[in-house]
Amino acid sequence: QVHLQESGPGLVKPSETLYLACDVSGYSVGHNYDWAWLRQSPGKGPEWIATIQPDGTASYNPSLMTRVSISVDSFNNQFHLWLSSVTAADTAMYFCATLLHANGWLSYFDYWGQGALVTVSS
Amino acid sequence: DIQMTQSPSTLSASVGDRVTITCRASQSIAARLAWYQVKAGKAPKLLMFQTSTLESGVPSRFSGSGSGTEFILTITTLQPDDSATYYCQQYDFFPTTFGQGTKLDIK
Repeated sequence: QVHLQESGPGLVKPSETLYLACDVSGYSVGHNYDWAWLRQSPGKGPEWIATIQPDGTASYNPSLMTRVSISVDSFNNQFHLWLSSVTAADTAMYFCATLLHANGWLSYFDYWGQGALVTVSS
Repeated sequence: DIQMTQSPSTLSASVGDRVTITCRASQSIAARLAWYQVKAGKAPKLLMFQTSTLESGVPSRFSGSGSGTEFILTITTLQPDDSATYYCQQYDFFPTTFGQGTKLDIK
């Protein structure tokens, strides 16, 4: 079974770039399945941010795609998220997840991490 | 984007009760709908996919139904551990989208 754990700064200043890493155990990010980032703002449902395939091919939510990047680090069995030019609206709990049954870019998320709270504030 | 609207937003029920949570899509989607259970401080848990297929290890007290624009999550014989927030997700149209959640409180 896969285990995912998010890590990164809990506080980011406005206009700066948010960076998060997801440590994966149980599966190899470079060989198996798709990997994703989602976020959840207070009082709202989850919002899908991006998904990446083992070969590095990525898909992004159109609402964020001008500011977001996702990558896979096979050596450390991690995948990463960058979100640039952040504002207070980007304050949220950020989750990493895996899709074991992806069909194209659309599928459900089989396993999630516990989440990392990121606050955007000066 | 497809809007997913859940009702009710909050729900209070007793141990042993049966409850239903409704998820409505802004346009007709195929059966590509999933449900998740989220508890504070824990990783969200996949309960069901393809509308009614139970994820491995999820109790049979959970069931799903629906088609078109209306989908239902039913929980029978409520247990204290069912206290959580439940979310639906459509994965029929890009980008995938989620409902705003239903918070279930066990009295």
